[in-house]
Amino acid sequence: NAGVTQTPKFRILKIGQSMTLQCTQDMNHNYMYWYRQDPGMGLKLIYYSVGAGITDKGEVPNGYNVSRSTTEDFPLRLELAAPSQTSVYFCASSYSRDRAKNIQYFGAGTRLSVL
Amino acid sequence: GNSVTQMEGPVTLSEEAFLTINCTYTATGYPSLFWYVQYPGEGLQLLLKATKADDKGSNKGFEATYRKETTSFHLEKGSVQVSDSAVYFCALSEAGGTSYGKLTFGQGTILTVHP
Repeated sequence: NAGVTQTPKFRILKIGQSMTLQCTQDMNHNYMYWYRQDPGMGLKLIYYSVGAGITDKGEVPNGYNVSRSTTEDFPLRLELAAPSQTSVYFCASSYSRDRAKNIQYFGAGTRLSVL
Repeated sequence: GNSVTQMEGPVTLSEEAFLTINCTYTATGYPSLFWYVQYPGEGLQLLLKATKADDKGSNKGFEATYRKETTSFHLEKGSVQVSDSAVYFCALSEAGGTSYGKLTFGQGTILTVHP
């Protein structure tokens, strides 16, 4: 039972570098989400996708980009990393957007430090 | 917009003590309410949920009741164990067709249970 898999688990970037956080799910879920979790704060939605080829911004999209070429994969791209992007990033997926059925399954997270 | 407020933490208890973690929300319409738990080094996982007023969600000895009149969804457990040590997040899923299943999270409450 792989569920939602995120790579890498840890990464240190220098200011101005770029990287892609990988997320893949094997549950055939249409809905996928990227969140960031800052210390002492709840999760904030960065981007989400409702299916292959369809993505949209969440609360805090600045400095990030996403793509969804397949149902399984939803990578998050950081361009020109900044210290403010130091955070823990979680990918999640769900089979339904219906509020009564919307159970999200989370990956284990990527801890990113930008120095 | 929607918001979720949790009681300030951290919470430290002895084994077999009674647990309450308060959660209140602000939302339009009739959201679904969730408690997610995050064990050390892991992603979030669903603990319990409730989809309409007066519903009680329960799992692993934890309970929470959807109280529309007080806009609350407090988490309770009668006798905590050391293995319950984790971070607990209250969340809501918006009502309405344009929500795309987005979750709004509280800031999380750290629970530590000592033997």
